[in-house]
Amino acid sequence: AQSVAQPEDQVNVAEGNPLTVKCTYSVSGNPYLFWYVQYPNRGLQFLLKYITGDNLVKGSYGFEAEFNKSQTSFHLKKPSALVSDSALYFCAVSPLSGGYNKLIFGAGTRLAVHP
Amino acid sequence: GAVVSQHPSWVICKSGTSVKIECRSLDFQATTMFWYRQFPKQSLMLMATSNEGSKATYEQGVEKDKFLINHASLTLSTLTVTSAHPEDSSFYICSARVTGTTGELFFGEGSRLTVL
Repeated sequence: AQSVAQPEDQVNVAEGNPLTVKCTYSVSGNPYLFWYVQYPNRGLQFLLKYITGDNLVKGSYGFEAEFNKSQTSFHLKKPSALVSDSALYFCAVSPLSGGYNKLIFGAGTRLAVHP
Repeated sequence: GAVVSQHPSWVICKSGTSVKIECRSLDFQATTMFWYRQFPKQSLMLMATSNEGSKATYEQGVEKDKFLINHASLTLSTLTVTSAHPEDSSFYICSARVTGTTGELFFGEGSRLTVL
């Protein structure tokens, strides 16, 4: 079965420190990969995507993610966390089998950045 | 970027009534829109794929007669929760992709339904 795993329910980081939010996936073929962020009672905002090319993808608000095909991972990173980065982060994959139309979401990781 | 608007943001209704949620793509055309449901502290569950001018495609386990979807134009899809019950209370989110593109979906702000 196709799935996305975000192994950490919550990540705690001090402001100014680097952050990593982990994501691994189990999808056949070469899926498209995404990160979205959700603030309380709001929809999802697109952060970044990987379709092809350079394994390091840069996105909105200083976030970046590294695609690792051998480890089937797509971890989200930021060199220096801000308190305003505190939110719920979702990793998602769009498999070829769905014509790249459907998104399969991970369970989400809550990022808490402390002053 | 592309903007997707949902209305209403919040709705409270009595058990047994029906509620309609609208999803509009404001500055682009969307042949396909997607409806998700999100339970508290959980991920998004795809309910159905809404196709302009044709019937929606429902995911396994989603009741077609309970969650009616209509996609009458390239910028509007509606989700109607019929005969709502308290267990239908949830956060409903729509999304859309610009027609003819692959890649990211643009999400609405979500609609929180509370059934009393």
